[in-house]
Amino acid sequence: EAGVAQSPRYKIIEKRQSVAFWCNPISGHATLYWYQQILGQGPKLLIQFQNNGVVDDSQLPKDRFSAERLKGVDSTLKIQPAKLEDSAVYLCASSQVAGGRGAKSYNEQFFGPGTRLTVL
Amino acid sequence: QKEVEQDPGPLSVPEGAIVSLNCTYSNSAFQYFMWYRQYSRKGPELLMYTYSSGNKEDGRFTAQVDKSSKYISLFIRDSQPSDSATYLCAIDDYKLSFGAGTTVTVRA
Repeated sequence: EAGVAQSPRYKIIEKRQSVAFWCNPISGHATLYWYQQILGQGPKLLIQFQNNGVVDDSQLPKDRFSAERLKGVDSTLKIQPAKLEDSAVYLCASSQVAGGRGAKSYNEQFFGPGTRLTVL
Repeated sequence: QKEVEQDPGPLSVPEGAIVSLNCTYSNSAFQYFMWYRQYSRKGPELLMYTYSSGNKEDGRFTAQVDKSSKYISLFIRDSQPSDSATYLCAIDDYKLSFGAGTTVTVRA
């Protein structure tokens, strides 16, 4: 089974430029997540999609970040314009469904390798 | 207050030692507690999860949850150089909230 694919793996841009990241989740996974991981910190959820729809974008800086998931499969995350503090690894994850948990099973999120963004 | 706090480390141990990792969490209603392992330049991968309280063992790894003190722990027995990674605790309250991670180095 192929894992979560992300591209590019690395990106260096100047502040105020724009950048886009792409994610292809595991086939059949309905739920897709974008996380931001700043150096020395744990991942922070930016946005969660269930199929085409947004479930949670409460921590997405909407003045500069946008994300879409057309056709309920691939997703793109865009930053426009970038700031120095956006330097981080952007992780995409997918799971079969959101929730649906029980004591004997857990709906695991599978993470991609991430895109390392450096803003100069 | 952060939902989950983790000792930042780093931690360096000799091969064969027991590694002990700890986190505290804020909300006593949390039921799902996870440990993720993240190798350098890779995404996190789920190592173990625990539902409610108690212990869970998987090979050399043991996860413990103490709900009375809101404390979660991961123990790695007979540590190997291949265990060198960053370990992230997390709680799942319909979304994952991660600790900052502890970087562990096992010296051969």
